[in-house]
Amino acid sequence: AQTVTQSQPEMSVQEAETVTLSCTYDTSENNYYLFWYKQPPSRQMILVIRQEAYKQQNATENRFSVNFQKAAKSFSLKISDSQLGDTAMYFCAFMKPRAGTYKYIFGTGTRLKVLA
Amino acid sequence: DVKVTQSSRYLVKRTGEKVFLECVQDMDHENMFWYRQDPGLGLRLIYFSYDVKMKEKGDIPEGYSVSREKKERFSLILESASTNQTSMYLCASSLSWTHDNSPLHFGNGTRLTVT
Repeated sequence: AQTVTQSQPEMSVQEAETVTLSCTYDTSENNYYLFWYKQPPSRQMILVIRQEAYKQQNATENRFSVNFQKAAKSFSLKISDSQLGDTAMYFCAFMKPRAGTYKYIFGTGTRLKVLA
Repeated sequence: DVKVTQSSRYLVKRTGEKVFLECVQDMDHENMFWYRQDPGLGLRLIYFSYDVKMKEKGDIPEGYSVSREKKERFSLILESASTNQTSMYLCASSLSWTHDNSPLHFGNGTRLTVT
């Protein structure tokens, strides 16, 4: 069974600095998808970034980028130029789609606080 | 933008009550999900549905049931609420499995307290 581990329950970073959130996963699959979701204090979870396992190039979305190491089963999120609005819970998720079954496996989350 | 609407932000129910949590999405998504979120445990899948009247058990289905009579609506039912079901409940939807990397779209969540 797949598992997703986020080993940092809480982190803090000064505004404008860079922070990296770690995520490791365990799977025997070769093709799958990885996601980072953000849940601000207002609670609605939103997608930050996604990565297809078959792509070697790391995904980037503005200030957010990932370091995807397939052999090491690692999928870390880097936030550059941190802003106060980045304060949130961040969840790493693994997904292997199959017909009729469509399950995400989530990590336990990292609470990030951006300090002014 | 996809909108996923959960009918209540906060609910307080008594032990033994039957509880309905409603979720509606407006983007014709095939897949709908109910998750439970607890501190230190992340999100755990209760049930999901990939079509009208279809449902599959997730990782923690005990004590819950679901209903999907219309494509846009997915209801979570607690047949007899217990205190250990006090939690945050998140509904989500996504396109069909053929859209491989289709992300989940979440509602705002329902904080349920069972006393």
